[in-house]
Amino acid sequence: DGGITQSPKYLFRKEGQNVTLSCEQNLNHDAMYWYRQDPGQGLRLIYYSQIVNDFQKGDIAEGYSVSREKKESFPLTVTSAQKNPTAFYLCASMDGRSGNTIYFGEGSWLTVV
Amino acid sequence: QKEVEQNSGPLSVPEGAIASLNCTYSDRGSQSFFWYRQYSGKSPELIMSIYSNGDKEDGRFTAQLNKASQYVSLLIRDSQPSDSATYLCAVRLNQAGTALIFGKGTTLSVSS
Repeated sequence: DGGITQSPKYLFRKEGQNVTLSCEQNLNHDAMYWYRQDPGQGLRLIYYSQIVNDFQKGDIAEGYSVSREKKESFPLTVTSAQKNPTAFYLCASMDGRSGNTIYFGEGSWLTVV
Repeated sequence: QKEVEQNSGPLSVPEGAIASLNCTYSDRGSQSFFWYRQYSGKSPELIMSIYSNGDKEDGRFTAQLNKASQYVSLLIRDSQPSDSATYLCAVRLNQAGTALIFGKGTTLSVSS
């Protein structure tokens, strides 16, 4: 089945640790995105990538890093510099052939313990 | 600061009624507008997109866009309990690449 796969679905991080959230898509979409959602809040853009080997900071990039070595993959690393990382993280990709619609993966819950 | 504003709600309507969800945006250069539905603990799913002034209908859903007033709305006819969710308005800015800017969402509750 075609889609966007995020893993893990649930992740616990200790203070001071870096963690990486995986995002893979087999939809042949060029653009990919990472958003963060806090309880009762909308989605805030962390990073996005329009093509392989290129990515741009969003509104809340501090404490996060990404890479885009393959079209299918856009992993997000939450570093120890991110002081309040507990949130719901959503990866998305864009279908440029149908009105530039953005579709989301199922999300990853990150909790700091 | 580019902003998308929504009334957080909750908006409560009885089953069978029309639910009206509203959204305003600050950037006049905005080109594309989207409504997503998000159930608690799940990821957003696309309901509708709209690009031109006027109405766009899809089943029980109608999106309305007024660029002069910087206003986009979503009407849900014959509301069902399964429509109870948070509805997110999203806007693509002309200058911001391809990313969407989201409002905080309106929570809709449909009572049976």
